[in-house]
Amino acid sequence: EAQVTQNPRYLITVTGKKLTVTCSQNMNHEYMSWYRQDPGLGLRQIYYSMNVEVTDKGDVPEGYKVSRKEKRNFPLILESPSPNQTSLYFCASRVTNTGELFFGEGSRLTVL
Amino acid sequence: QKEVEQDPGPLSVPEGAIVSLNCTYSNSAFQYFMWYRQYSRKGPELLMYTYSSGNKEDGRFTAQVDKSSKYISLFIRDSQPSDSATYLCAIDSGYSTLTFGKGTMLLVSP
Repeated sequence: EAQVTQNPRYLITVTGKKLTVTCSQNMNHEYMSWYRQDPGLGLRQIYYSMNVEVTDKGDVPEGYKVSRKEKRNFPLILESPSPNQTSLYFCASRVTNTGELFFGEGSRLTVL
Repeated sequence: QKEVEQDPGPLSVPEGAIVSLNCTYSNSAFQYFMWYRQYSRKGPELLMYTYSSGNKEDGRFTAQVDKSSKYISLFIRDSQPSDSATYLCAIDSGYSTLTFGKGTMLLVSP
């Protein structure tokens, strides 16, 4: 089954404690992306990657890091989480830079 | 002016009603137009995809694009309670990113 898998789905952490949200896709897609979704603000892109070892900032990259060492994986790293990073995070992928974007189920992060 | 504007709703309709959801956009470079549906606690999933002005129909759903007015619409005929979800328009310049509207929450009551 074609899918984008994120882990963890739910996480409560404390300010400053580094965390990583993993994302994996099994569709051999070149393009992967991270979004955060907040009430009243909609989906906002954090980072995206056009291919292995190629990453670029989206609209709200501050406080986040990503890496793309393998085609299927695109982890989101919060080096020092802060309460304003409490949000619902989605990983997504698509074949190239156009076309249908497939989303994961989401990771709800709470930073206390 | 924001790139994509979408009324957040909620929009409440009775079962069987025709629903109209709309977005306006500002960047005439946008080429591809999509509608995503997002159920509660789920990721968005693609509902309709089009790249030209005019109408595209898929079952009870019709996507309409008017590039001259920078206006896109999604019509749902014979709406069902299972259509209750948030609908997001998404517009693609064809380069690297999709620009999403904030989503309209639709509630269809039995």
